[in-house]
Amino acid sequence: AQSVTQLDSHVSVSEGTPVLLRCNYSSSYSPSLFWYVQHPNKGLQLLLKYTSAATLVKGINGFEAEFKKSETSFHLTKPSAHMSDAAEYFCVVSFLTTDSWGKLQFGAGTQVVVTP
Amino acid sequence: ETGVTQSPTHLIKTRGQQVTLRCSSQSGHNTVSWYQQALGQGPQFIFQYYREEENGRGNFPPRFSGLQFPNYSSELNVNALELDDSALYLCASSLLSDEQYFGPGTRLTVT
Repeated sequence: AQSVTQLDSHVSVSEGTPVLLRCNYSSSYSPSLFWYVQHPNKGLQLLLKYTSAATLVKGINGFEAEFKKSETSFHLTKPSAHMSDAAEYFCVVSFLTTDSWGKLQFGAGTQVVVTP
Repeated sequence: ETGVTQSPTHLIKTRGQQVTLRCSSQSGHNTVSWYQQALGQGPQFIFQYYREEENGRGNFPPRFSGLQFPNYSSELNVNALELDDSALYLCASSLLSDEQYFGPGTRLTVT
């Protein structure tokens, strides 16, 4: 079975400190991996995508993620949190099999709170 | 470049009624996917349309149906609405890849 797990439902950080959001996946295939962000009452915005070209992926707004195949992880980080980073973050897996082509499977989400 | 748009933004329906939600793809995209996001949860895949044909379906009953038109816009229809259908419905478009771009969603409330 294929799955994606976000290890923290809530993360609270102070403005200017690093952010770490953890994600693990399980799959028999080589998946595409994404991080999306959702601000309150908004749609989903793509932060970054892992395409197997490089294990360290840089995204928008200073975020980056590292793919570790041995640990089946794809953790999202940002060196310095900004107040505008307060949002819900989703780790997403796409399984390119004959019955799942282009289907995105979302984690449960991590709510990020940034305090001044 | 025009992004993904959805209409309406909000609507309220009564249990047992039918509803149609609409989505316009990002310019140049030929694939549309629909997702249901219940409150406090991650989005769940409903189905995907590619060149007007259903191209994959999630674990949703047949009363959830869809259409894709020649201009690649799409509709999601839900019959016999139930209270649990209350959710944010998200449409996403893509072009020959799994990199999907989402619209702002339609908030459906079933009373």
